[in-house]
Amino acid sequence: AIQMTQSPSSLSASVGDRVTITCRASQEIRNDLGWYQQKPGKAPKLLIYAESTLQSGVPSRFSGSGSGTDFTLTISSLQPEDFATYYCLLSGTFGQGTRVEVK
Amino acid sequence: EVQLVESGGGLVQPGGSLRLSCAASGFTFSTSGMNWVRQAPGKGLEWLSYISISGSSAYYADSVRDRFTISRDNAKNSLYLQMNSLRAEDTAVYYCARDLRADAYDIWGQGTLVTVSS
Repeated sequence: AIQMTQSPSSLSASVGDRVTITCRASQEIRNDLGWYQQKPGKAPKLLIYAESTLQSGVPSRFSGSGSGTDFTLTISSLQPEDFATYYCLLSGTFGQGTRVEVK
Repeated sequence: EVQLVESGGGLVQPGGSLRLSCAASGFTFSTSGMNWVRQAPGKGLEWLSYISISGSSAYYADSVRDRFTISRDNAKNSLYLQMNSLRAEDTAVYYCARDLRADAYDIWGQGTLVTVSS
């Protein structure tokens, strides 16, 4: 089974910062990778799928990129509502999560 | 309104059984693959199971294979998860989620808490 390594496990950032989160697969994959946002006590929310396709209604400050084994979620200018935990998903395997906290 | 609503969670003793339900509304359930995902307290997300549109195909995570069974009733717009031989480590919030594609679960329920404890 493909293993997913998500990093960092947490980060501290300020409003307006550019934030980057990475998922690395143990073997080359197609662009079947998604990104999710989860806030405390809430269900996850789909942000991006197929590596870079923005889900309807998701702000354009979120973007996804990558290929092969390395994939990245970028928040171009962090907003107050973006402080949350982010997960990648590939073939039924979620990354370990990245908690984005207030600096 | 598009929504999924889980029910059936609660407290169960180790070795016991529980059946979770997920009621769908606001979209065409009968043409949607569906998943169960869980989250242990303070932990990350874990995919558990997927069922195809017709119910003829089902897949499971190793952690629940042979103990959990996913099923669906398209006439009732409902998804189910039969959980047997429950263990303490099965304690989690259980979510149902629509499968847009393998990496895109686009509709999620609010979750139902299952606690396995004596």
